[in-house]
Amino acid sequence: DQQVKQNSPSLSVQEGRISILNCDYTNSMFDYFLWYKKYPAEGPTFLISISSIKDKNEDGRFTVFLNKSAKHLSLHIVPSQPGDSAVYFCAVRGADGLTFGKGTHLIIQP
Amino acid sequence: NAGVMQNPRHLVRRRGQEARLRCSPMKGHSHVYWYRQLPEEGLKFMVYLQKENIIDESGMPKERFSAEFPKEGPSILRIQQVVRGDSAAYFCASSPLDVTAINTEAFFGQGTRLTVV
Repeated sequence: DQQVKQNSPSLSVQEGRISILNCDYTNSMFDYFLWYKKYPAEGPTFLISISSIKDKNEDGRFTVFLNKSAKHLSLHIVPSQPGDSAVYFCAVRGADGLTFGKGTHLIIQP
Repeated sequence: NAGVMQNPRHLVRRRGQEARLRCSPMKGHSHVYWYRQLPEEGLKFMVYLQKENIIDESGMPKERFSAEFPKEGPSILRIQQVVRGDSAAYFCASSPLDVTAINTEAFFGQGTRLTVV
């Protein structure tokens, strides 16, 4: 039973537009949420995070939104750039450490 | 400050051989985590270690897999008698503190891609 779901295996967005990646989780006890970005043949790199006491965290072009009542997390990238093409993993932190979703492959089209 | 170093980057083993994957955490990090990524899958937690201690191995297969993080040297993930299903990318991550206890993220290495032929 997946605790973290990224329901879109892939997402295609035009350069300059907004990319929205979504993540749903099942356990309301998770208290810290992270996004990692992964290029092919490389390890995941930390992108942005948010604590459960907040509903928004912004860092440059990246904003993470947390809707605790819906158990939903989203990552917004504005504007999208070609270098943003990668797989994005949502991760949640609970008593067992970090649990990752299956990832969403973001493709930025010129 | 070098990042998390994993070696080798690529490892090919025949069925029945042993695979040893090494992970050197970032300087100052004493917490190491191993994850496995199978094709079309996300990152699956395997084991969490601190120096000389296994803290959580709930994600490790019961047989053939073992991990250690000695006082000196890198963390080692060891897979004995490899089978085709062990083919995957294995990622190591490290953090300065327990990632469950405080708002900190884990930093990942570039991974070791194991291919069993």
